[in-house]
Amino acid sequence: GEDVEQSLFLSVREGDSSVINCTYTDSSSTYLYWYKQEPGAGLQLLTYIFSNMDMKQDQRLTVLLNKKDKHLSLRIADTQTGDSAIYFCAERENFNKFYFGSGTKLNVKP
Amino acid sequence: GAGVSQSPSNKVTEKGKDVELRCDPISGHTALYWYRQSLGQGLEFLIYFQGNSAPDKSGLPSDRFSAERTGGSVSTLTIQRTQQEDSAVYLCASSSLAGGQAQYFGPGTRLLVL
Repeated sequence: GEDVEQSLFLSVREGDSSVINCTYTDSSSTYLYWYKQEPGAGLQLLTYIFSNMDMKQDQRLTVLLNKKDKHLSLRIADTQTGDSAIYFCAERENFNKFYFGSGTKLNVKP
Repeated sequence: GAGVSQSPSNKVTEKGKDVELRCDPISGHTALYWYRQSLGQGLEFLIYFQGNSAPDKSGLPSDRFSAERTGGSVSTLTIQRTQQEDSAVYLCASSSLAGGQAQYFGPGTRLLVL
């Protein structure tokens, strides 16, 4: 299997930017994903990036990919209390294998 | 349907009983996955179906676990002789070849084995 690693916790103040980091090991990954999980819910797809891209922006979300270092990050601008959740990064190795990190719990303080 | 649906949303059972969990994927999605998420943990891959191909069962933790997918659509995950360590949230996801080939998840079934 492949290793996808994330830090466990991140705490920010409302209005600040949040940056959630992820590292992965599979250099053949084609797509990388960010999911959000709120308490008691399934995983919600936030965004994804193709492996030949460096950056993708979608409203308050910015994904940066450093393929050389196998590092993926998710930046949330103007973080709100509603952004409090667990964020998972995932990589797609081939069509049948996705590998997920253990999740980063984001706590947004008012 | 509009999204992946799962039933039941919650299931409480006694140790030793069998349970069936159902997943209805997004219409037209050819791939279907089952994962298990224990409290506060990440996702543990269980099984994957792709079209009419033989399923990838490499993640099933024991022979008490089985799954089938009928007609390339609805899937049922069966756990026989449930144990307390089977208590978890069971998540189903489906995907297609479009849209970044992302997985779309259902809300999960919360299983509690007493």
